Amino acid sequence: AQTVTQSQPEMSVQEAETVTLSCTYDTSESDYYLFWYKQPPSRQMILVIRQEAYKQQNATENRFSVNFQKAAKSFSLKISDSQLGDAAMYFCAYRRENTGTASKLTFGTGTRLQVTL
Amino acid sequence: DAGVTQSPTHLIKTRGQHVTLRCSPISGHKSVSWYQQVLGQGPQFIFQYYEKEERGRGNFPDRFSARQFPNYSSELNVNALLLGDSALYLCASSAARGSKWDGYTFGSGTRLTVV
Repeated sequence: AQTVTQSQPEMSVQEAETVTLSCTYDTSESDYYLFWYKQPPSRQMILVIRQEAYKQQNATENRFSVNFQKAAKSFSLKISDSQLGDAAMYFCAYRRENTGTASKLTFGTGTRLQVTL
Repeated sequence: DAGVTQSPTHLIKTRGQHVTLRCSPISGHKSVSWYQQVLGQGPQFIFQYYEKEERGRGNFPDRFSARQFPNYSSELNVNALLLGDSALYLCASSAARGSKWDGYTFGSGTRLTVV
């Protein structure tokens, strides 16, 4: 069974600074997707960034980037120029590349990010 | 465009009762999945439905059931509620096209409290 581990229950960053959230996962599969989701107090899970395991290049989305280390099974999220609106719970998630119709996500336990002035 | 809509937003039930939660996917999405998020934890997969058929089931007891309707909306039913069923229930839709998966869009969830 696949597992996702987030070892940082809480992180804090000052506005405009950079923060890195850690995630490790365990799988025997070679093809899969990894995700970072943001969950603000509104509760909706919002996709931040996505990485396909077959791609060697790390994904980037504006101020968000990942460091994907496939051999180490590590997938960290870097947030640059942090903004107050970045404060939320962040979840790392995994999905096997399989049939395309069965798309179960396995989530970590989350990291609560605080952004201070 | 409307996103994934869930109803109700909040619900309080008594132990032993039954509850039905509803989800309407994004227009054109044929796959709906349900997740349970207990306070302080990540979401746990309950069910996935595609084209009205169950395509996946998580490690939940038979008290949990679901179905998908011809318009692709879905219901999650929980019988004989326990205190431990108190959680945020999230619905997610996706437009699976053959072997290409386009990703999930989540709703804002239903907060269920069992007293």
